[in-house]
Amino acid sequence: NAGVTQTPKFRILKIGQSMTLQCTQDMNHNYMYWYRQDPGMGLKLIYYSVGAGITDKGEVPNGYNVSRSTTEDFPLRLELAAPSQTSVYFCASSYYWSHGYQETQYFGPGTRLLVL
Amino acid sequence: RKEVEQDPGPFNVPEGATVAFNCTYSNSASQSFFWYRQDCRKEPKLLMSVYSSGNEDGRFTAQLNRASQYISLLIRDSKLSDSATYLCVVKQTGANNLFFGTGTRLTVIP
Repeated sequence: NAGVTQTPKFRILKIGQSMTLQCTQDMNHNYMYWYRQDPGMGLKLIYYSVGAGITDKGEVPNGYNVSRSTTEDFPLRLELAAPSQTSVYFCASSYYWSHGYQETQYFGPGTRLLVL
Repeated sequence: RKEVEQDPGPFNVPEGATVAFNCTYSNSASQSFFWYRQDCRKEPKLLMSVYSSGNEDGRFTAQLNRASQYISLLIRDSKLSDSATYLCVVKQTGANNLFFGTGTRLTVIP
């Protein structure tokens, strides 16, 4: 199993440009998440998904969009890049059992984004 | 008030030392607790879950005090390879996501 993979590893964007951060997991996890981590700060949840076709906002969703058309993929879209979106972005996935138990989250290696 | 608060450190300790990290959480409805480890420029990885009765995994011991809403991690006989940032993580009842502390940075010195 590759686990959670993310592309690209690093990207520089100009203000106003758009891009999609890709995330794929091969563990058949139903839950997937996008976090951002700023220097010296904890991870902040951007969006999450509890299954294909279902997404919901996290703590800091403004400026981002997501979709979940398959169990495996959960891309994150930045439409109009701003310097405030300079950060490291982590995708994660986990399995949530119907009886309420959620397994640990597995993280991808991250995408470093610089907006100039 | 932050959901999860940690002392950011840094903690600089010699090899072989014992070091303890503390964490407090604000929501009494929190149900699951974890310590994650994050190496420099890497993703967080689960170190251990924290159970109500306390639990141990080799040199690592985790404790939970629900009354005080307090979690701790004790590392005995520190190794150079323990140098990392340790993240306190909490899951609230009914929530679909985890809440992360800002992390405590540990450097083990030869």
